[in-house]
Amino acid sequence: NAGVTQTPKFQVLKTGQSMTLQCAQDMNHNSMYWYRQDPGMGLRLIYYSASEGTTDKGEVPNGYNVSRLNKREFSLRLESAAPSQTSVYFCASSIWGDYEQYFGPGTRLTVT
Amino acid sequence: EDQVTQSPEALRLQEGESSSLNCSYTVSGLRGLFWYRQDPGKGPEFLFTLYSAGEEKEKERLKATLTKKESFLHITAPKPEDSATYLCAVQLVPSNDYKLSFGAGTTVTVRA
Repeated sequence: NAGVTQTPKFQVLKTGQSMTLQCAQDMNHNSMYWYRQDPGMGLRLIYYSASEGTTDKGEVPNGYNVSRLNKREFSLRLESAAPSQTSVYFCASSIWGDYEQYFGPGTRLTVT
Repeated sequence: EDQVTQSPEALRLQEGESSSLNCSYTVSGLRGLFWYRQDPGKGPEFLFTLYSAGEEKEKERLKATLTKKESFLHITAPKPEDSATYLCAVQLVPSNDYKLSFGAGTTVTVRA
């Protein structure tokens, strides 16, 4: 039982490049989330998926898109990376939206 | 604006020296308050959920309590392995996005 897994662990992009961050969970959870963590700002919600087949914007969605591929997988795409998107990205999941969320190990992204 | 504030920002303890961390929140309606532990370079690890004032939860040397406007995380007789950043987060009612609003964290260092 791996919990929440994320790939890649580290990534360096140049401004304007695109990439997709992958997330998968094996806990049979219905809800999944993408957060970013920046120094001094705490974790902020980018997008979430309350259940398979639905996605919605969170607090800071600009510059990102998501896909809920199936119940297990939720990906985050940066279409045209900007230096302001340099951050640590965490995927999380929960049984349903009002239960505790479990986090993956994170992806450390640098945009130059 | 809804806000979560954690204090102190950093706490240095001697092994066995008990202390408390504070999480205060100014929100209009609380669904739940969550405590997480985060080790350097890793994702947040779920510790506790508290739902109503007066509630308490315990796990090993950690005890979390909740009042109407704040929560405390008490660390009793800490050991060096308790060194980590402790995050609190609130989930609001009503909430369509189920997001967790995080504080900036308290970094605890326990010296042997």
